[in-house]
Amino acid sequence: NAGVTQTPKFRILKIGQSMTLQCAQDMNHNYMYWYRQDPGMGLKLIYYSVGAGITDKGEVPNGYNVSRSTTEDFPLRLELAAPSQTSVYFCASSGGLAGGYQETQYFGPGTRLLVL
Amino acid sequence: AQTVTQSQPEMSVQEAETVTLSCTYDTSESDYYLFWYKQPPSRQMILVIRQEAYKQQNATENRFSVNFQKAAKSFSLKISDSQLGDAAMYFCAYRTTNRDDKIIFGKGTRLHILP
Repeated sequence: NAGVTQTPKFRILKIGQSMTLQCAQDMNHNYMYWYRQDPGMGLKLIYYSVGAGITDKGEVPNGYNVSRSTTEDFPLRLELAAPSQTSVYFCASSGGLAGGYQETQYFGPGTRLLVL
Repeated sequence: AQTVTQSQPEMSVQEAETVTLSCTYDTSESDYYLFWYKQPPSRQMILVIRQEAYKQQNATENRFSVNFQKAAKSFSLKISDSQLGDAAMYFCAYRTTNRDDKIIFGKGTRLHILP
């Protein structure tokens, strides 16, 4: 299993540009999440999904959109990039409430985004 | 609302010694999960250890163990025989058993290993 994969690893955007951060998992997990981590800070939840076709806002959703058309993929869209969105973005997945270690969230390697 | 507090922004320990990282949390739930995640310079978030609140026995994973005090809402991480590879940011995290399954992270403790 590759686990949780994210692309790209690093990206520079100009203010006002748009981009999509890709996230995929091959563990057949129901739950997927997007976090951002600002320098010296913990993780903040942007959006999450409890299954294909279902998404919900987290703590800091403004400026972002998500979709979940399949169990495997959970892309994060930035429509009009702003300097405040400079951060490291992590995607994670978990198996939900089925018991055992499936509740644990498994993280991707992160995408570093710089908005200039 | 649930909160997770890590009161030690940075800590240092001599190689081969033992260090304890503190974490406290606030919740009104009786059943929940607690985690310690490690974030090395590579920025990958790696699960270190996991504890179910209904279990009285403290979780252990090789050199890593926790001291889970449910009444005090404390969840400290002990690292024995510290190694240079243990240098990282450590995050304490909490999650309920509710369907929304959101995880709440503390702000982290940066651990330095002194050779």
